[in-house]
Amino acid sequence: QQQVKQSPQSLIVQKGGISIINCAYENTAFDYFPWYQQFPGKGPALLIAIRPDVSEKKEGRFTISFNKSAKQFSLHIMDSQPGDSATYFCAAPRRLTQGGSEKLVFGKGTKLTVNP
Amino acid sequence: NAGVMQNPRHLVRRRGQEARLRCSPMKGHSHVYWYRQLPEEGLKFMVYLQKENIIDESGMPKERFSAEFPKEGPSILRIQQVVRGDSAAYFCASSPWLGYTEAFFGQGTRLTVV
Repeated sequence: QQQVKQSPQSLIVQKGGISIINCAYENTAFDYFPWYQQFPGKGPALLIAIRPDVSEKKEGRFTISFNKSAKQFSLHIMDSQPGDSATYFCAAPRRLTQGGSEKLVFGKGTKLTVNP
Repeated sequence: NAGVMQNPRHLVRRRGQEARLRCSPMKGHSHVYWYRQLPEEGLKFMVYLQKENIIDESGMPKERFSAEFPKEGPSILRIQQVVRGDSAAYFCASSPWLGYTEAFFGQGTRLTVV
């Protein structure tokens, strides 16, 4: 079973601080690495994603850093705000069949709390 | 353009009853994926469908679970003879093509089996 291992399980930061969440994957066939943000009672929403041909992608306060040789990618949230408090999931798609079916393999999630 | 619509949002069933979960994809989306989320867990793939076709159901339990995506109407995830272990949040995602780069998730259906 291909896995995506995410850490830490929970994270508490102060407003204005940097939140860092890490993921490690096993399958080198993964070619797209999204991060999802999920608020309680809501569905996961795509936050930011990266392809392995680049080492970093930044969108506003959110940055993905990708280390292909280490098979790791991380999410950095700069200037963390209380509104960022949510559960964050890393994921990677895995092609299932020769016909091209895919599934997303999710990490177990990191519950981020940003204190005011 | 409305997002992915799932209903009901909350569903309570007694053990042994049937649960029917509906997913209306975004307009123009013909690919639907169903995922299950247990408490404190990430989402687990269940099934991938296109209109009138089940493409991949490798994540579906062998018994009691079925899914369809008819030519007209929403995709349906059906769970027969529910058990307590089926209690979870069920999410669907839709996409205009294979893959997740343009996929959006619905708000989910929270199934509670009592």
